[in-house]
Amino acid sequence: AQSVTQLDSQVPVFEEAPVELRCNYSSSVSVYLFWYVQYPNQGLQLLLKYLSGSTLVESINGFEAEFNKSQTSFHLRKPSVHISDTAEYFCAVTAGGTSYGKLTFGQGTILTVHP
Amino acid sequence: ETGVTQSPTHLIKTRGQQVTLRCSSQSGHNTVSWYQQALGQGPQFIFQYYREEENGRGNFPPRFSGLQFPNYSSELNVNALELDDSALYLCASSSDQEYEQYFGPGTRLTVT
Repeated sequence: AQSVTQLDSQVPVFEEAPVELRCNYSSSVSVYLFWYVQYPNQGLQLLLKYLSGSTLVESINGFEAEFNKSQTSFHLRKPSVHISDTAEYFCAVTAGGTSYGKLTFGQGTILTVHP
Repeated sequence: ETGVTQSPTHLIKTRGQQVTLRCSSQSGHNTVSWYQQALGQGPQFIFQYYREEENGRGNFPPRFSGLQFPNYSSELNVNALELDDSALYLCASSSDQEYEQYFGPGTRLTVT
């Protein structure tokens, strides 16, 4: 079984400042990692994913995350945030085999960007 | 390409009643997963359907049941509703060619 811990429940930040949302996972097998974003009263949108290959993955809107196997982490970063980045962010993990496609989510981190 | 759709958007039920939520998967996807997201929590995996068969279940009681149809759309049924069943229910579809899930907008269920 897998588990995900998002270390910060809320992260307030000023516009144009850098931000890091922390995610640690636990698993006895190899995993695939995801970040999803949820805007108020909406479903989840895939932000970025790590499946294999380069440990640094990027989204089209400037977010990046780095898979660190030794520290079992998948932290999300953005060098300069915008007001429109205000949302809740969820880190998720799934394993292959019989766990294929069954996501385990963290509790979420609410990112609030202030002007 | 049509994304994942869910109906209804909102629903209010009384404790003890039964409810059916519906999901249409994204074109080309043959796997549907259901999640429950309580207020202030991350989504919790309920179960998954692959080619009309249940393919894994989370820690939910048997009164949570589902179906998948030949066109890969799906239903989630909850019997004997309890107050704690109040949540956003999310449907996600995927194909067996990829690992990421594509989520619908959810159904907000309120049990009074």
